Order: sequence, then C-alpha cells, then structure tokens
Amino acid sequence: AQKVTQAQTEISVVEKEDVTLDCVYETRDTTYYLFWYKQPPSGELVFLIRRNSFDEQNEISGRYSWNFQKSTSSFNFTITASQVVDSAVYFCALNSNTDSWGKLQFGAGTQVVVTP
Amino acid sequence: DVKVTQSSRYLVKRTGEKVFLECVQDMDHENMFWYRQDPGLGLRLIYFSYDVKMKEKGDIPEGYSVSREKKERFSLILESASTNQTSMYLCASSINPTDYYGYTFGSGTRLTVV
Repeated sequence: AQKVTQAQTEISVVEKEDVTLDCVYETRDTTYYLFWYKQPPSGELVFLIRRNSFDEQNEISGRYSWNFQKSTSSFNFTITASQVVDSAVYFCALNSNTDSWGKLQFGAGTQVVVTP
Repeated sequence: DVKVTQSSRYLVKRTGEKVFLECVQDMDHENMFWYRQDPGLGLRLIYFSYDVKMKEKGDIPEGYSVSREKKERFSLILESASTNQTSMYLCASSINPTDYYGYTFGSGTRLTVV
C-alpha cells in the first residue's frame, strides 16, 4: 500500500526566512507521480508541482524549489525568503501506477505560518 | 480554467438529518472524488467515480453514499448525519489518472453536525 508522511505539523517562521517542508513516501510501484498542493485560508487546494518517478531533476520556480530523492523516498519543498502570503497548509500527495491508480494519497499536511 | 463548484461553503445540520453535498465540474472530466479533511489526518478519500452511474469506495466510506447521474455532478450523501461527520468536505475532478495537475479542487464545504 502507498503512504505519504509529512512529519511536520506546523512550522512558524519570520518573513524572509527560508522554510523546508519534508515529505516521505512509500510505494511498491516503479512508476508514480508526486505532487505538492497549497491550501490557503480560502480552502481551495492549489496545484504547485508534479514530478514523475523517472525524473529526479530538482526544480526551481521563483522562490519555490523541490528536491526529489528516490534513494530516500523523499520529495521536499523549500520556500526561499518566505512572505506572509506563503502562510497556508501544504500537502504532499502520491499517485502510483498500480497501488491506487488515479487516486491521490495525501499526507497530513504542514501548516506554515509566516509572521511579518 | 476548470472549475469545480461546491454548492455550499458552510452548512449546519442536526444529528440524524439526511445531508446532500453537491459538486459540479464544468470541463467534462471523467473522474470525480470526495474527500474529507480533518486536522492532523490530511485528506481522506470517501468515494470516487470514474464514470456516470459508477462509484467506488475510498478509504472511509462508512456513513456515506454518493450519486453520479450526470457526468458533471457528483453528490455526497450523509444518510443520517452524526457529530463525528463534522468536517471539511472537498470535491475534486480530474481528466485521467495521469492528469498533469492531479486534481482540480472545489473550495470545500465546512459541515457542522449538532
């Protein structure tokens, strides 16, 4: 069975600090997809990134960066120079080829609080 | 843009009532999902549907049922609401299992059962 673990329940930082969110996943499949979503106070989950299991290249998008390491089954997310607008709950999710085709398995989420 | 619309943002219902949560998507997506979100537990899948009149149980289907009579609409039904069903309910849709964006989500319905 597949599983996603986000061990950090809440992270509080002061604006302009960097923050890294951890995500560890489990799956028996060799083909799978990993996602990060942001849930602001408005409630709607917003897609941030998708990574497939064959692409371990790290990615940077503005202040966001992602580090995918198959060797440790981790897909960590870093926000550089955090801003108050980054305050939200962030979810890591997994969709694997056979374990649960088409169904996203979510982690428990990490609440990020950025104070001015 | 794909839109997933949930009919109510907030609902308050009494214990024992039959509750309907409605979800409509406007981009002809095949797949629709209902999740509930609780602090510390993340999102847990209740039911999903890959086609009209088709439904599959998720991880926590007890106390819930669903209906999908039309492709664009997926309803979650609480047959007899209980206080432990107080939660945030999120509807989502996707084109296919490998849809690049995963799911498109609605804004959620926060249900309180008193």
